[in-house]
Amino acid sequence: AQSVAQPEDQVNVAEGNPLTVKCTYSVSGNPYLFWYVQYPNRGLQFLLKYITGDNLVKGSYGFEAEFNKSQTSFHLKKPSALVSDSALYFCAVRVGNQFYFGTGTSLTVIP
Amino acid sequence: NAGVTQTPKFRILKIGQSMTLQCAQDMNHNYMYWYRQDPGMGLKLIYYSVGAGITDKGEVPNGYNVSRSTTEDFPLRLELAAPSQTSVYFCASSTQYEQYFGPGTRLTVT
Repeated sequence: AQSVAQPEDQVNVAEGNPLTVKCTYSVSGNPYLFWYVQYPNRGLQFLLKYITGDNLVKGSYGFEAEFNKSQTSFHLKKPSALVSDSALYFCAVRVGNQFYFGTGTSLTVIP
Repeated sequence: NAGVTQTPKFRILKIGQSMTLQCAQDMNHNYMYWYRQDPGMGLKLIYYSVGAGITDKGEVPNGYNVSRSTTEDFPLRLELAAPSQTSVYFCASSTQYEQYFGPGTRLTVT
């Protein structure tokens, strides 16, 4: 069965510090991996994706993610957090025509 | 460019009532999806479609039906609403890779 795990329900980080939001996956075959962000009372917005190639992918708003095949992980990172980054973050994997989402991590950036 | 639109934004239903959640996209995407989002549970796929006339069940299809008569529209039908269907519903359309989400419909069944 395909699955995505986000082990942290909540991540707090001080403004200006680096942030990491963790994601691990379990799929058969090569994964297509994604990160989405959700602000209150809004739909999900696409941040970045890994399809193939370079393990470090860059996305919107200064976010990046590192694909690690041996650890089956796809952690989201940002070198310097902003208060405006506070939101709910979802990791997802595409298998065939279906997307499977993690349960989400709430990121709070403290001024 | 409107992207993915959903109506209504909010709805309260009584147990046993029926309704249709509307979803439309103007990006000419073949793939469309319906999800429900419950607190702490992430998104669960209800139904999806890979093109007009083609639909398939996702993880949690019971109590719902869909149709896809055009590329643009993908309505979700709730028959005999139950309290367990209280949720936020998101429609999405997709390229080969990333998805684009609508703003959601918050449904309460009492």
